[in-house]
Amino acid sequence: EIVLTQSPGTLSLSPGERATLSCRASQSVSSSYLAWYQQKPGQAPRLLMYGASSRAAGIPDRFSGSGSGTDFTLTISRLEPEDFAVYYCQQYGRSSWTFGQGTKVEIK
Amino acid sequence: QVQLQESGPGLVKPSETLSLTCTVSGGSISSYYWSWIRQPPGKGLEWIGYIYYSGSINYNPSLKSRVTISVDTSKNHFSLKLSSVTAADTAVYYCARTVSTSFFYYMDVWGKGTTVTVSS
Repeated sequence: EIVLTQSPGTLSLSPGERATLSCRASQSVSSSYLAWYQQKPGQAPRLLMYGASSRAAGIPDRFSGSGSGTDFTLTISRLEPEDFAVYYCQQYGRSSWTFGQGTKVEIK
Repeated sequence: QVQLQESGPGLVKPSETLSLTCTVSGGSISSYYWSWIRQPPGKGLEWIGYIYYSGSINYNPSLKSRVTISVDTSKNHFSLKLSSVTAADTAVYYCARTVSTSFFYYMDVWGKGTTVTVSS
């Protein structure tokens, strides 16, 4: 099983700041199979990025994704109040899906 | 616009079988994979398994011995059964439409989730 480790666990930032979230895989992951989700309290996860760098429908361009192999990054260029949430990376491999443990982006 | 709705008992006794259904509305269940994911209170997401509309299935190896996922295309829904439940199976259970192509794999439409508590 491929393990995804996200860092940091919590990111404390102010609105307008840049957020950089990391997702590291225990073995190489195809970029095509790497996705990011946003989850707010009491809500279902929402697809943000797929294929590591493609934004899902309706996702603003302040969200961007990058990376390859074992290291992937989600960047929020300027945090809006609605961006404070928990973010999960996810990968598909060998007919199985795994999620990272999440990074919480909180208001400083 | 495709919407998913989970349904089933919110309380299950230990050692019994948890049964949930996900009803797909606004679109056909055909031509997609469909997943179950759960989230224990205060914790992260765990993939349980997925099924293709034609019946092809894959389960999380850690749950495989207790999980059964099925699909009913005539009713446009798919179902989850988890046997021999314990308190560790208490979670919010989500269903999700799963895109699995030659190029991309992701879950793009999610149900709102249903809370299942395992307790006597």
